Amino acid sequence: DTAVSQTPKYLVTQMGNDKSIKCEQNLGHDTMYWYKQDSKKFLKIMFSYNNKELIINETVPNRFSPKSPDKAHLNLHINSLELGDSAVYFCASSQVVGSGGARDIQYFGAGTRLSVL
Amino acid sequence: GQQVMQIPQYQHVQEGEDFTTYCNSSTTLSNIQWYKQRPGGHPVFLIQLVKSGEVKKQKRLTFQFGEAKKNSSLHITATQTTDVGTYFCAGITGKLIFGQGTTLQVKP
Repeated sequence: DTAVSQTPKYLVTQMGNDKSIKCEQNLGHDTMYWYKQDSKKFLKIMFSYNNKELIINETVPNRFSPKSPDKAHLNLHINSLELGDSAVYFCASSQVVGSGGARDIQYFGAGTRLSVL
Repeated sequence: GQQVMQIPQYQHVQEGEDFTTYCNSSTTLSNIQWYKQRPGGHPVFLIQLVKSGEVKKQKRLTFQFGEAKKNSSLHITATQTTDVGTYFCAGITGKLIFGQGTTLQVKP
């Protein structure tokens, strides 16, 4: 079983459309994340949820809305897609955040490659 | 704000040469992690360093954490084509902050 799974793997869409990416983890972790990786490989954190509660929101446009129905799922909805949203989006999970220990280790999903045309 | 700087951004080496990537933080870290991302893949955890001056080895990879816990390095001895990918450090100061990554290309 895949520990952190996200769907879809590829997403090609037109500017202005709305799309969602789903993420599920079966590791029993309390914390989940969304990262955006641009073409230069820079990995930027977007959101972090701990037990369904938003704890990190890194100045992301409000067109991006995360939703965590339970601690095993974290979905990302994007409204009015723009060309600059094209990137790879990674979901990740860890046991806790900021513990300074092994429970901070992040487990990443395979990524969703979003192309906005 | 807190920053973790990583250099170089890219490195091309001939197979068999050594490779090093460096990570520097603007603040003292509680610990530091290293991840590897293969081309087309996702970041995968390699190791975590916790103690000041700590050195850990994984086969040809050597990881160091500075005495002041503000810098770290990853050294690969005698690179192989399987080492290609992007290596990220991630510093922890209450939250995890990733460096920009170093992309390694190895020419056979």
